[in-house]
Amino acid sequence: AQTVTQSQPEMSVQEAETVTLSCTYDTSENNYYLFWYKQPPSRQMILVIRQEAYKQQNATENRFSVNFQKAAKSFSLKISDSQLGDTAMYFCAFMNLNRDDKIIFGKGTRLHILP
Amino acid sequence: EPEVTQTPSHQVTQMGQEVILRCVPISNHLYFYWYRQILGQKVEFLVSFYNNEISEKSEIFDDQFSVERPDGSNFTLKIRSTKLEDSAMYFCAAKGDLIAYNEQFFGPGTRLTVL
Repeated sequence: AQTVTQSQPEMSVQEAETVTLSCTYDTSENNYYLFWYKQPPSRQMILVIRQEAYKQQNATENRFSVNFQKAAKSFSLKISDSQLGDTAMYFCAFMNLNRDDKIIFGKGTRLHILP
Repeated sequence: EPEVTQTPSHQVTQMGQEVILRCVPISNHLYFYWYRQILGQKVEFLVSFYNNEISEKSEIFDDQFSVERPDGSNFTLKIRSTKLEDSAMYFCAAKGDLIAYNEQFFGPGTRLTVL
């Protein structure tokens, strides 16, 4: 069974700094997607960025980028020039493409951006 | 831009009562999901639904739970006899064609409080 592990329950950084959230996962599959979701206090689930496992190039979305290390099964999220609006819970997530396509979430990292 | 919507946003019920949570997916979506998030915990998969039948369900999705698309648009989750531990945020998600990757679009969630 696939698992997703986020080892940082909570982090705080100053506004404008860069922060990296860690995530590791375990799977025996070769074709899958990895995601980072943001959950602000409203509790809406917002897709921040996704990475296809077959792509070697790391995904980037504006200030958000990932460091995808497939062999190490590592998928970290880097937020550059952090903003107060980035304060939220961040979930790393996995989706297998070969069979079922449910999303498996990690336990989340609560990120506080300090003014 | 079309969105997945959920009603109600907050439901308070007495233990033992039946509740029905409703989701309206985007019109061309074919695959539907329910996830649950107990306060402070990770998001957990409950059930997936395609072509008017359950594709997969988790161990959480016991006989107290059921899903259906009664009118071809709404997608509902019914909890027959609620328990205190059913208190959680319930997210509906939907996606289009399975062949090519399609994002699972999450609704805003229904907060269920069982007293």
